[in-house]
Amino acid sequence: NAGVMQNPRHLVRRRGQEARLRCSPMKGHSHVYWYRQLPEEGLKFMVYLQKENIIDESGMPKERFSAEFPKEGPSILRIQQVVRGDSAAYFCASSPQGRDQPQHFGDGTRLSIL
Amino acid sequence: GENVEQHPSTLSVQEGDSAVIKCTYSDSASNYFPWYKQELGKGPQLIIDIRSNVGEKKDQRIAVTLNKTAKHFSLHITETQPEDSAVYFCAAITFSSNTGKLIFGQGTTLQVKP
Repeated sequence: NAGVMQNPRHLVRRRGQEARLRCSPMKGHSHVYWYRQLPEEGLKFMVYLQKENIIDESGMPKERFSAEFPKEGPSILRIQQVVRGDSAAYFCASSPQGRDQPQHFGDGTRLSIL
Repeated sequence: GENVEQHPSTLSVQEGDSAVIKCTYSDSASNYFPWYKQELGKGPQLIIDIRSNVGEKKDQRIAVTLNKTAKHFSLHITETQPEDSAVYFCAAITFSSNTGKLIFGQGTTLQVKP
């Protein structure tokens, strides 16, 4: 029963370092979405990717953040030069072929910035 | 822009009672409305969803209703149990648009007292 797998589950970084968050979608799913959840808040969309393509990055900050979903391997959300405000839970979701399918979430990566 | 309002923010019920959570959405083009349950330290779990061509959907103790004219949708949980205690999120999306962006409500913390 392989759901959406995210790692690491917890990540601690110092200000100015880089954070890499990984997401393996459910088997057979080719659409990946990243969301950010601040404490006591709902989830905010960041980016939507298919294999080798970014479809919608309207929720992702223009600077320091990037995402990819290569032909082989997991999707990666990369945050360069992290700041305290990047501390949050980052969730990945996946859906099957066709964007009009339900999104299933992983258990997230909790990012803490010292 | 698109917005989803969710009420109440907290809800406390006695075991066996019913619980109702309400959401309103702003984008009349929205056509898919999922509900997620999030337990502490976990990712959102899809519990039920409804598409805009349906007014009501039921799955055991959980039901969702949709009023497209008023742009309202609601989650109904009957015969609540302590294990129903969690944070519940409603969301909306327009499947026909070129985005996978789920717009989430702010969440409802449900406490079921034994």
